[in-house]
This record gives sequence, C-alpha cells and structure tokens, in this order.
Amino acid sequence: DIQMTQSPSSLSASVGDRVTITCRTSQTFSSYLNWYQQKPGKAPKLLIYTVSSLQSGVPSRFSGSGSGTDFTLTISSLQPEDFATYYCQQIYSAPWTFGQGTKVEIK
Amino acid sequence: EVQLVESGGGSVQPGRSLKVSCAASGFSFDEYAMHWVRQVPGKGLQWVSGISWDSGYRGYADSVKGRFIISRDDAKSSLYLQMNSLRPEDTALYFCAKDMGDSGNYPVFDIWGQGTMVTVSS
Repeated sequence: DIQMTQSPSSLSASVGDRVTITCRTSQTFSSYLNWYQQKPGKAPKLLIYTVSSLQSGVPSRFSGSGSGTDFTLTISSLQPEDFATYYCQQIYSAPWTFGQGTKVEIK
Repeated sequence: EVQLVESGGGSVQPGRSLKVSCAASGFSFDEYAMHWVRQVPGKGLQWVSGISWDSGYRGYADSVKGRFIISRDDAKSSLYLQMNSLRPEDTALYFCAKDMGDSGNYPVFDIWGQGTMVTVSS
C-alpha cells in the first residue's frame, strides 16, 4: 500500500495567514492526489483533485501543487471558516489511501 | 439537490452481520462509481470498498476483503455494503461517497453522505 505522511499533524495560525500543508507519498507519481477538508461532526469535502484542480465552489485561496513524492496544499489567506482538518489522498494505486490529517487551529 | 443518505448502522456483536445502505438523489446514480469510506471517531479516513457504474469492478481494502460485499441497485439509486464476520476493529462511521468518474479507478470523491455509525462490541 502507498503510505501517505502529512506534515505538520497540526498547526496554529491566525486569520489572514498563509498556510501550507505537505503530503509525502511512499511512491512516485505525478497527478493522482486529492485534498479534502473535514470539519467536526461533518463529512469530508473535496477541495482539490488531481493535484491542482479546484473543485467547483471552493474558494480560490485554496491551491494545490507538487509531483513525485511531495505535494502541497496552500491556503493563501486563512479565513475563519477554514479551521478544520485536511486530508490528502492518493489515487495512483489501490487501496486508495489517505494521509493521517492536518488539523488547522486558531492561534 | 445532490444528496447521499446512509442508513442501517447500529450496534452488533462480533461475528455477526450488518447491511448498511446509501440512498442517492439529485444526480444520475447509474452513471457513476460509488465508494464506502470509514472513519473511527477522532481518527483518519480509510477507503473500504468501491464499485463501478456497471458493477463490473468491485474493489476492497485488504482488511475487509472476503468479509464485506459492495453492491448497487440502480433502479433504487442505492448503494449497499453487506458486512459479515464483523470485528471490533470494524467499529467506525461509514460514509458513502460518489465518484467523479464511472470506473472506480483513480477515484475522486466529490459528494459524501453524513455517515452511519457501526459499533461492533460484545
């Protein structure tokens, strides 16, 4: 199985901050990576698919990049509604594995 | 409105069976692959199983292979997960998720239900 390691596991940031979350994979691939946001008590929500494609309705402050084994989710200016847990997911090889999550908290 | 609503969760003893369902609405259910993803409360996400639009592909995580069976009824716009020989480690919130594609491969989960809780305990 492909192992997904997110860093950091948690972070504290202020509204307006630029936030970067990294996902490192145990195998190399180019475009098979998605990002999801999950708020407490809610279902995950698709943010970014195939590395950098923004899901419809998702604010443009969210962006994704990367290739090989290192991928990044960036929030350009953190908003109050962005405090949540973020998960990366590889779709290169089944089983489709997720990172352990990065919790973004209010500083 | 595009919607997925899971049902059928509950408390069950180890070794017993349970079938959870997912009712879809607001989109052409028969055109898309569908998946089950589970989450132990307070923990991360784990893909459990997926099925292609035509049921030609059914995939399973190793931890459930041989015990769980995914199926769909397009006439009812419903997805199912038959869970047999349940174990305490199967305790989780089970989410139904719609795939952007139809094959079940390279899945992008663009719509999720709210989940149904399954608890396996004696």
